[in-house]
Amino acid sequence: GAVVSQHPSWVICKSGTSVKIECRSLDFQATTMFWYRQFPKQSLMLMATSNEGSKATYEQGVEKDKFLINHASLTLSTLTVTSAHPEDSSFYICSAQKDQGTDTQYFGPGTRLTVL
Amino acid sequence: TQLLEQSPQFLSIQEGENLTVYCNSSSVFSSLQWYRQEPGEGPVLLVTVVTGGEVKKLKRLTFQFGDARKDSSLHITAAQPGDTGLYLCAGRPLETSGSRLTFGEGTQLTVNP
Repeated sequence: GAVVSQHPSWVICKSGTSVKIECRSLDFQATTMFWYRQFPKQSLMLMATSNEGSKATYEQGVEKDKFLINHASLTLSTLTVTSAHPEDSSFYICSAQKDQGTDTQYFGPGTRLTVL
Repeated sequence: TQLLEQSPQFLSIQEGENLTVYCNSSSVFSSLQWYRQEPGEGPVLLVTVVTGGEVKKLKRLTFQFGDARKDSSLHITAAQPGDTGLYLCAGRPLETSGSRLTFGEGTQLTVNP
């Protein structure tokens, strides 16, 4: 199998607070994980690529200090949205690459973030 | 510039009809993946096509990879309401380094009973 979980599945927070989202590969080790953001009825927008034991690679326009990514182990990556504002409200999805030799990514169920 | 052009973007059909979704590019891909996503959930992998000209079938879904590995299609026969969802094609162009995937814009399919 190739199961990826995310926690929490949804979170509501006040403006100015920080929120941490966890992404876990449950039955495989993932040296590379990815974080995406998705707006309603639209495709996925890659935010950053997370490699175990090294700094994440952020896409152009994504603020590194606002979206902190940590990939501490081969099965866990975290995304922390710091000082969240209403415009950060979105659906955040992580994915993990199971095999180095293929490009296939397995996605988590997503986290709905609402900032009041 | 969108590396993967996916069409149509929206499709609303009646139960029992057939449909085809296209994913086209000027770039060559090592492989292409098709995903289906339902509201409030993450994308679920349907298939990965790797070889040029490859055809894969998944029940009523037929996936094709172009001979030149620049395009792919998804054909659904006798669509059912349960097929409703956002269909995404994705792949990594050979000309790009790293492991990031390029996604098509998605096709929002609605199958009406």
